[in-house]
Amino acid sequence: AQKVTQAQTEISVVEKEDVTLDCVYETRDTTYYLFWYKQPPSGELVFLIRRNSFDEQNEISGRYSWNFQKSTSSFNFTITASQVVDSAVYFCALSEANFGNEKLTFGTGTRLTIIP
Amino acid sequence: DTAVSQTPKYLVTQMGNDKSIKCEQNLGHDTMYWYKQDSKKFLKIMFSYNNKELIINETVPNRFSPKSPDKAHLNLHINSLELGDSAVYFCASSQDLGGWLDTQYFGPGTRLTVL
Repeated sequence: AQKVTQAQTEISVVEKEDVTLDCVYETRDTTYYLFWYKQPPSGELVFLIRRNSFDEQNEISGRYSWNFQKSTSSFNFTITASQVVDSAVYFCALSEANFGNEKLTFGTGTRLTIIP
Repeated sequence: DTAVSQTPKYLVTQMGNDKSIKCEQNLGHDTMYWYKQDSKKFLKIMFSYNNKELIINETVPNRFSPKSPDKAHLNLHINSLELGDSAVYFCASSQDLGGWLDTQYFGPGTRLTVL
């Protein structure tokens, strides 16, 4: 069974600091997908990134970067030079490539608060 | 244009009532989903439909019945509402890649409050 653990329930940092959100996953499949979603206070779920299990390259998008390490089953998310607009709940999610069972299993989320 | 839309955004109702939440996507996707987010923000899938066919049904009470009139719509009907049904319900859609899960795009959510 697939499982996603986000051990950090809440994090607060001062604006402009860097912050890393941890995500550890469990799966028995060799082919799977990992995602990060952002849920700002307004409530919608915003897609941030999708990564498949064969691509371990780190990715950078502006102030956001993701570190995927299969050896430790982790897919961590770093925000550089944080801003108040980054305040949100961030979810890591996993899906196994299993036809007929394409569902996302979400972690419990990390609430990030950026203090001005 | 909104990619995945849900109506209503807020729904307040009494216990025992029947209510529906509508979802529409204009992305041309083949697969649609319903998720429930509880008060602790935990997100869990309820149903998925692919081209109007039920694919996933995750241990949801029979009081919940999804209906897909066409592949762009997936509505959620809830009978005999209970206090524990209070939550935010999210609709999502994704392209069907034959087992390779494409990104799911979510609607804005419907906050259901049962009194």
